[in-house]
Amino acid sequence: EAQVTQNPRYLITVTGKKLTVTCSQNMNHEYMSWYRQDPGLGLRQIYYSMNVEVTDKGDVPEGYKVSRKEKRNFPLILESPSPNQTSLYFCASSSGQGDNSPLHFGNGTRLTVT
Amino acid sequence: AQSVTQLDSHVSVSEGTPVLLRCNYSSSYSPSLFWYVQHPNKGLQLLLKYTSAATLVKGINGFEAEFKKSETSFHLTKPSAHMSDAAEYFCVVSDPLGGSYIPTFGRGTSLIVHP
Repeated sequence: EAQVTQNPRYLITVTGKKLTVTCSQNMNHEYMSWYRQDPGLGLRQIYYSMNVEVTDKGDVPEGYKVSRKEKRNFPLILESPSPNQTSLYFCASSSGQGDNSPLHFGNGTRLTVT
Repeated sequence: AQSVTQLDSHVSVSEGTPVLLRCNYSSSYSPSLFWYVQHPNKGLQLLLKYTSAATLVKGINGFEAEFKKSETSFHLTKPSAHMSDAAEYFCVVSDPLGGSYIPTFGRGTSLIVHP
């Protein structure tokens, strides 16, 4: 089954404790992206990647890192989480061919930083 | 630069009545347009997408949207709401920048369906 898998679904951590949220897709998609969703603000893009070893900042990249060492994986790293990073995070992928290829989303990771 | 505005943060309808969720966009090029739906505690799912082949686009679950270039709109409609339609809806625009796909999301419209 074609899917985007995020882990974990729920995560509670403390300020400053490094964490990684994993994202994997099995559709051989070139484009992958991370979003955060906050009430009233919709989805805001954190980082995206057009292909292996190619990443770029989205609208809200501060406090986050990503890597794209393999095509299928695109982990989101919070080196020193802060409470303002408490949010619902989504990973998405698409073939990224510049046409009408839609995004495929994971089920989300709800992060709480205390 | 591209942008998208969803004109209503909340829309409330009764079951069996029509649904209208409004979306306006701006785009420097010929845009790609999408509607996604998010049910509670779920990821986003594609409802429909606009291709240049037809201005009236049919999606899943009886939804459709009409692309109106002169009005820069892509409103989502459904003739008769069902309780299961209660969800968050997102309008998305993208521009083909150098062959890549970098979408911009609207802030979402919460659809409330009353019995």
